[in-house]
Amino acid sequence: GESVGLHLPTLSVQEGDNSIINCAYSNSASDYFIWYKQESGKGPQFIIDIRSNMDKRQGQRVTVLLNKTVKHLSLQIAATQPGDSAVYFCAENSKTGANSKLTFGKGITLSVRP
Amino acid sequence: NAGVTQTPKFQVLKTGQSMTLQCAQDMNHEYMSWYRQDPGMGLRLIHYSVGAGITDQGEVPNGYNVSRSTTEDFPLRLLSAAPSQTSVYFCASSSLGNTIYFGEGSWLTVV
Repeated sequence: GESVGLHLPTLSVQEGDNSIINCAYSNSASDYFIWYKQESGKGPQFIIDIRSNMDKRQGQRVTVLLNKTVKHLSLQIAATQPGDSAVYFCAENSKTGANSKLTFGKGITLSVRP
Repeated sequence: NAGVTQTPKFQVLKTGQSMTLQCAQDMNHEYMSWYRQDPGMGLRLIHYSVGAGITDQGEVPNGYNVSRSTTEDFPLRLLSAAPSQTSVYFCASSSLGNTIYFGEGSWLTVV
């Protein structure tokens, strides 16, 4: 069956350092991947996405890397800031006909040390 | 730009009571869905809809009903609340095959 998982439940980084959050997926039919950030008491917020025909996509301070060979997704945050402290989810989207199914990982907590 | 709006933000119910969580989006998205989020369980899909008049079950549909009479609204109904339905509920919407946007959540406690 398909699954999306994160390798580490928590990650603590020093302010200013780069953060790397990893995610594994198992559904080779997934064609779209998304990273979400969820702050305490709020809904998941879209960070960045990548389609399966790409292996890298950059945003502002964030980069997503997709390795389809090993079914691995990562989120890199440059110069991590206290405001980056949150729970991060990866998600994979697979299509069945006209329907899309989004499967989430359980989340990893990023804690930024001042 | 309101995006996805959920109400109420917080609700306490007694076992057996019924209630409806409201969800509205103003982005003309075809796809809408409801998730629940529990500690250690991540986000689990309850019901979803790919357009007005069309609904389907997700991963954990038991105890919940939905309807989609308009493109904008997708209410979630609990007909007889149970303590196991204590959770945080998120409504989401998207254009088909594109990024899913979430509401701010509804915290429900069933006592």
